[in-house]
Amino acid sequence: EAQVTQNPRYLITVTGKKLTVTCSQNMNHEYMSWYRQDPGLGLRQIYYSMNVEVTDKGDVPEGYKVSRKEKRNFPLILESPSPNQTSLYFCASSFNGRAYEQYFGPGTRLTVT
Amino acid sequence: ILNVEQSPQSLHVQEGDSTNFTCSFPSSNFYALHWYRWETAKSPEALFVMTLNGDEKKKGRISATLNTKEGYSYLYIKGSQPEDSATYLCAFKQGGGTSYGKLTFGQGTILTVHP
Repeated sequence: EAQVTQNPRYLITVTGKKLTVTCSQNMNHEYMSWYRQDPGLGLRQIYYSMNVEVTDKGDVPEGYKVSRKEKRNFPLILESPSPNQTSLYFCASSFNGRAYEQYFGPGTRLTVT
Repeated sequence: ILNVEQSPQSLHVQEGDSTNFTCSFPSSNFYALHWYRWETAKSPEALFVMTLNGDEKKKGRISATLNTKEGYSYLYIKGSQPEDSATYLCAFKQGGGTSYGKLTFGQGTILTVHP
């Protein structure tokens, strides 16, 4: 089944404790992206990757890191999480970064206390 | 940060009503406009990706039009059903430059269809 998976689905952590949210797709897609969703603010793009080893900032990259060492994986790293990073996070992928629909993962609910 | 606006913010209709919402985006350097449907407790699902001025797309009772010169897209739902209740998101992709992988979402229109 074609899908985007994210882990963990739920995470409660404390300020400053490094964490990684994994994202994996099995569709051989070139493009992958991370978004955060906050009430009243819609989906905002954090980082995206046009292909392996090619990443770029979205609109809200501060406090996040990404890497794309393999085509199927695009982990999101929070080196020192803060309470303002409490949010619902979505990973998505598409055939390439041009005019193709995106497939979204199930979301990760992160709470930083 | 690009300005992508959706209106109305929320909409309540009766089963069987037809409805439409608007997505406004910058009219310069257009590349693509996406529409997604997002049901509560699920992930967004793609409805349409539109690239050409005058594009019209249709999927069942849902259709969309695109005007890139004036910077707007309409999403229409004919004969709304309770299962159409969801948040409808548009997303704008700008062409040119080095950031063409960026996708900017509007805040969404929340549709509630009452039986």
